[in-house]
Amino acid sequence: NAGVTQTPKFQVLKTGQSMTLQCAQDMNHEYMSWYRQDPGMGLRLIHYSVGAGITDQGEVPNGYNVSRSTTEDFPLRLLSAAPSQTSVYFCASSYSRASGRDTDTQYFGPGTRLTVL
Amino acid sequence: AQTVTQSQPEMSVQEAETVTLSCTYDTSENNYYLFWYKQPPSRQMILVIRQEAYKQQNATENRFSVNFQKAAKSFSLKISDSQLGDTAMYFCAFMRGNTPLVFGKGTRLSVIA
Repeated sequence: NAGVTQTPKFQVLKTGQSMTLQCAQDMNHEYMSWYRQDPGMGLRLIHYSVGAGITDQGEVPNGYNVSRSTTEDFPLRLLSAAPSQTSVYFCASSYSRASGRDTDTQYFGPGTRLTVL
Repeated sequence: AQTVTQSQPEMSVQEAETVTLSCTYDTSENNYYLFWYKQPPSRQMILVIRQEAYKQQNATENRFSVNFQKAAKSFSLKISDSQLGDTAMYFCAFMRGNTPLVFGKGTRLSVIA
């Protein structure tokens, strides 16, 4: 298993540009989420999904869009990048409670470092 | 809403010594999970240890152990025989059921030779 993969690892954008951060997992996890990490702030939840076709907002959703058309993929879209979105982005996944499996262990991707100029 | 507080932004410890990282949390729930994650310079998030709130026994994983005080809502991490490879950011996190993790702001630990 590749686990949770994220692409790209690094990205530089100009203000106003749009882009999509990719996240994929091959563990058949229902639950996926996106966090951003900023110095001194820990990790904050952007959006999450409990299964294909279902998404919900987290603590800091503004400026980001998500969709979940398949179990494996959970892309994060920046609609019009702003310098305040300069951060490290992490995707995570786990089983859902409905699966009856271990739900309390989340698996993290390696992160994407995004710089918006 | 749940909150997690790590009151020590930075700590240092001599190699082979013991260090304790503090974490407190706020919740009205009775059943939940608590975690410590390690983030080395590689940026990878690594699960160090986890504790189920319904278990009274403190979790241990080799040199890592926790002191879980449910009534006080405290969840500290003790690292024994500190090694240079323990140098990292450490995050305390809370989770209720199958909901997103709530993280503290982290403690940067430096192990000094």
